[in-house]
This record gives sequence, structure tokens and C-alpha cells, in this order.
Amino acid sequence: KQEVTQIPAALSVPEGENLVLNCSFTDSAIYNLQWFRQDPGKGLTSLLLIQSSQREQTSGRLNASLDKSSGRSTLYIAASQPGDSATYLCAVPNSGNTPLVFGKGTRLSVIA
Amino acid sequence: ETGVTQSPTHLIKTRGQQVTLRCSSQSGHNTVSWYQQALGQGPQFIFQYYREEENGRGNFPPRFSGLQFPNYSSELNVNALELDDSALYLCASSPGLAGAADTQYFGPGTRLTVL
Repeated sequence: KQEVTQIPAALSVPEGENLVLNCSFTDSAIYNLQWFRQDPGKGLTSLLLIQSSQREQTSGRLNASLDKSSGRSTLYIAASQPGDSATYLCAVPNSGNTPLVFGKGTRLSVIA
Repeated sequence: ETGVTQSPTHLIKTRGQQVTLRCSSQSGHNTVSWYQQALGQGPQFIFQYYREEENGRGNFPPRFSGLQFPNYSSELNVNALELDDSALYLCASSPGLAGAADTQYFGPGTRLTVL
């Protein structure tokens, strides 16, 4: 059974800092890994999807890496801004054509 | 904006009541999945529908049921509500079967409070 863990649970940084969020998963036989952003009380916004054959994906100030063999992914946020404050969730399919197993998320606060 | 809408936005019910939550997927998206997200937790998979048939279910009791309609709308029904059913309910749609390669597009959610 796939389990996803995210560290840290919460993070507070000053504006402008670069930061890394961590995600680990127990079953490395994944098709892809997805990072989401969730604002308080809101739905999920997909940030990046990394296919199992890829090592990383970039979108603007965000860079996500994937190491399947070690069961780890990181989300790197460059030059953080107060608008980046949100909860960041990573998720993987349980197996094959199945929906997503989520971590509990990292709650990020960027202080101006 | 994902093109996935949910109604209502908020809902308050009492224990033992029944509730129906609704989701409208993007046109052409054959798969809809429903998730329950308790406060401070990640979303938990409830079930998935593909072309109007249930195609997978998480660890939820039978009082959680669903329907998917040909017009890309779907429903989540919960009978005999319990206090622990209080959560944000999210639906997500994707063009094909969810998981393997398709990005899932999430709606804004329905906040259910059970008193």
C-alpha cells in the first residue's frame, strides 16, 4: 500500500528566500508524481506533474525533481514571495490506473 | 481555473441526515474521482467513475455512493451522516482513466459540516 510523507509539516521563511519541500513515497513503482498547491479552504491547483521517466520539471520559479529509486521528490521554490503562502501537497497514483494517494502537505508561510 | 465546478460551496447538516454534493466536469472528461479532505490532512480517495460506471473505491463505507451522468456531471451521496463526515469534498476530472498519465483537474470543493 502506497504511503506518502511530506516534510516539514510547516515552514515559515522571509520573502526572497529559496526553499525546498520534501516528499517521500514507499512504493517506487509509480507512473508519475504530482505537486499541488492549496489555498485555505480551497480546491487543489496542479503545479507540476513529473512522469516516471523524467528527472525533473520546471515551471517559472518552481522546480520539481523525482528520484524513483529512492522514493523521493523535492519541490524547489526560488525567490519566495508572500503570494506563495499556501499548503503544498504531493501525490502519486496508488498503482496503475488508480487515483491519487496524497501526503498531508507542507504549510508554507512567506513573510514580507 | 480548472473548468471543474462544485455545488454547493458550503453545507451544514445534522447527524443522520442525507446529503448530495454535485460536480460538473470539463467537457470530454470521462473520469471523475471524489476525495474527502479532513482538516489538516491530505485528500483521501472515495471512489472513481469512468463513463458512468464505478471504477474503483477507497476505504469508505457503502453509505457513500455516487453517480456519473452522460453530460459530465456527477453526484456524491452520503447517507446517515456522522460527525466525522465533516470535511472538504473535492471532485477531480481527467480525460481518461485517472492515475497513469493524466493530470487530474480539481474543483474548488464543498465544505460539509455535520452537527
